[in-house]
Parts: sequence; structure tokens; C-alpha cells
Amino acid sequence: DQQVKQNSPSLSVQEGRISILNCDYTNSMFDYFLWYKKYPAEGPTFLISISSIKDKNEDGRFTVFLNKSAKHLSLHIVPSQPGDSAVYFCAASEVYSGYALNFGKGTSLLVTP
Amino acid sequence: GAGVSQSPSNKVTEKGKDVELRCDPISGHTALYWYRQSLGQGLEFLIYFQGNSAPDKSGLPSDRFSAERTGGSVSTLTIQRTQQEDSAVYLCASSWDDLMNTEAFFGQGTRLTVV
Repeated sequence: DQQVKQNSPSLSVQEGRISILNCDYTNSMFDYFLWYKKYPAEGPTFLISISSIKDKNEDGRFTVFLNKSAKHLSLHIVPSQPGDSAVYFCAASEVYSGYALNFGKGTSLLVTP
Repeated sequence: GAGVSQSPSNKVTEKGKDVELRCDPISGHTALYWYRQSLGQGLEFLIYFQGNSAPDKSGLPSDRFSAERTGGSVSTLTIQRTQQEDSAVYLCASSWDDLMNTEAFFGQGTRLTVV
């Protein structure tokens, strides 16, 4: 059973515009959420995280929003750049139950010039 | 290097053979994870090692899969009697396993193809 869902397998955005990647989860015990970025033939790299005590976390062009009541989080990239083209994975964990990350299937983002 | 290292990077094996995949985590990281990514799927948790505690094996798909972590460092994932559905990229990750930081650093993965 997929506890973390990324319902959009792909997204295309023009350079300079905002990219919004969405993620839904079903396990209300998840209290730590992360976004990873993956280029072809490379392992995922950590991008940004948020704990359940917050509803927003910013790091440069990247902002993650968490809506606990809706069990939904989103990653905003502003402005989008061609180098942002990659697969983005949403991940969630219960910090107090072993930290094993549950990943979504990923969203492939293409930023066009 | 300072990152998580996995070997081999690619492995082609015949159905029914055993394979071993190796992971060298970042020095000092107490937590080590194995994940796999099958074609068109997300990252699937396999097993988690934390320090000297018993590993969390809840993600292993069958008893053909096993993993060891020797001396709290290097880990080996073994798949016995490989099947075609085992074909995937196997990713290892390590972290400080600190309550304040569960960021995991991933290796580049081993692409396993069972023919």
C-alpha cells in the first residue's frame, strides 16, 4: 500500500515560472517530510525538509508547504530553472518508529527555456 | 570520497543465481538503509540498520533477500536465487540517525538486471 502518493508523474514548466509539485500521504503518524531530487543515473539528493510542527519551510528558491489536516504537502520552486529538471520524490517518516522513509513514485519535472 | 559508495554500479545476472551488493556508508553515520527502485515505481524501503540494534527488516520482499552490516559500517545486501522481478536499482543511504536530522545521503545505486 502506497502511503505517500505523488499523483502527477510529470510536469512541464517554463523557465522563470513557478513549479508546484504535490504530495499526499495517508499515515497520520508521519511527522517528518522530505523532498529529494534525482538526476538520471544518480542517487537521490536531499532538497528540503519540514517537520509536522511547521507549515512552511523555505530555502532559497525552494519552499515546502505542509497542510496536516489535508495530509498534503507541496514543493514550490520559484523561479524555475532548466537545471531543476529532474525527478522529485516526496518522502515521509515517523521519527519515533525507526526513520524509514516512505517514498512517493516521483514527479518528473521538465523546465523549458 | 566522502559520499555513500555502492558497488558494483551495474550487475547482470542469470535467473537463479545469487548476487551480493555492497554499500560503504559515510564515515560516522550510524544509520544505513537499503531501498530499491523498480521501473516506473517509487523508492521501496527494504531494510534499516541503526547502530547495534536489531535491523528493521520489514521491507524485505521475500526470504531470498538478506542484509548484513559488519562492524557498524559496510553493508552487503544478498539476493539468493534471483528472479526477473528482482531487476531494479538498489540504493543505499546513510544518515546520522539524529532525531533532529533524518536527512539521508544516497549512493548512486546498483542497477541489477536479472536475465
